[in-house]
Amino acid sequence: QVQLVESGGGVVQPGRSLRLSCAASGFTFSSHAMHWVRQAPGKGLQWVAVIAHDGRDKHHADSVSGRFTISRDNSKNTLYLQMDSLRAEDTAVYYCAKDVAAAAKYYFDYWGQGTLVTVSS
Amino acid sequence: EIVMTQSPATLSVSPGERATLSCRASQSVRGSVAWYQQKPGQAPRLLIYGASTRATGTPARFSGSGSGTEFSLTISSLQSEDFAVYYCQQYNDWPRITFGPGTKVEI
Repeated sequence: QVQLVESGGGVVQPGRSLRLSCAASGFTFSSHAMHWVRQAPGKGLQWVAVIAHDGRDKHHADSVSGRFTISRDNSKNTLYLQMDSLRAEDTAVYYCAKDVAAAAKYYFDYWGQGTLVTVSS
Repeated sequence: EIVMTQSPATLSVSPGERATLSCRASQSVRGSVAWYQQKPGQAPRLLIYGASTRATGTPARFSGSGSGTEFSLTISSLQSEDFAVYYCQQYNDWPRITFGPGTKVEI
């Protein structure tokens, strides 16, 4: 069955960096676009970034553009999110989510359990 | 950015009753709406896409309808496992996809 397991979250000071990983299994990882979606404590869902199946096309939300970078390694079935210049408002549970298609249809049929990132001094 | 609004914020219903959740887009998103269910401490689960197509494993008591700016999710007969928060999401304006604030369905 499809499994998405995030890791790399934790407590970090404002302005510092963190890299999240998402290990995928149970499907052909290289055939699907992948996303990061976040949820601040007690709040709703916010889309963060997408990467096409082959890594050639990627987009980031305006709120993280220039600070966060999505990437993937299809040889390792792993999705990444490099987060730089972190701010308090980036505090959230970060989910990786599987797109239904290779080139991204932008809705998500499987989600990981999430990893909590807390930005605090 | 397309703003998605959901109503009501909280819906109190009894098991076996019918529940209708509404979602409105600030401009037309055609039929590009998905619905997700989220239980406490869990990740969201896809229920509906394309406004009305049930995802694999979604029980038949869940149905979606609408197009343009007005959408709804109906649960025909609430079961105990259906008490959760429900989010709508538009994906017409990609990559600037947006979610609604959610409707909590409670007993």
